[in-house]
Amino acid sequence: DTEVTQTPKHLVMGMTNKKSLKCEQHMGHRAMYWYKQKAKKPPELMFVYSYEKLSINESVPSRFSPECPNSSLLNLHLHALQPEDSALYLCASSVNRGSYEQYFGPGTRLTVT
Amino acid sequence: TQLLKQSPQFLSIQEGENLTVYCNSSSVFSSLQWYRQEPGEGPVLLVTVVTGGEVKKLKRLTFQFGDARKDSSLHITAAQTGDTGLYLCASWNTGNQFYFGTGTSLTVIP
Repeated sequence: DTEVTQTPKHLVMGMTNKKSLKCEQHMGHRAMYWYKQKAKKPPELMFVYSYEKLSINESVPSRFSPECPNSSLLNLHLHALQPEDSALYLCASSVNRGSYEQYFGPGTRLTVT
Repeated sequence: TQLLKQSPQFLSIQEGENLTVYCNSSSVFSSLQWYRQEPGEGPVLLVTVVTGGEVKKLKRLTFQFGDARKDSSLHITAAQTGDTGLYLCASWNTGNQFYFGTGTSLTVIP
């Protein structure tokens, strides 16, 4: 099973809303990642968790708050977002941080109104 | 900051044509990955190349890693409409951070 699942598939939220994105993998991977992607651009790394600890925060605004409840789950809590935060949010996992391959979920298409 | 520069940035070709996408850097990589991403989906890993000069084939796709491990190419033979997507090379830098190339958006016209 090489599947990373993400929910929801689509999300529309207002600038005052609070919402969460969810990611799950059951491959036993110990590193998990959040990326943000704008149309026809490469994904940009936001957060890296290694063994359930945040190891990289790429200077992401505090309105994005990651959480790793256990080795299989990764959440991204959203609060007071701006319209420019509208993007595809991708979750990925790898065996370890630094492993050759990352496996990506299908993403959550977020629209901030 | 290491940079993976891809060329061309955009490519539009007729079905049946051949094409090559390039991924270049001034840095040496221990490995390099190629991904394809279809609109609204996550990137899907196509291949990992590790050894300088390595050539890997995946049906109509041929991947090559440069001898000096600073560059890579992806060649598609007889492109099909299903090849349409965003092609991304990717690797790890010396700071143990994973990052993507600048991307090549391919459109295959029937």
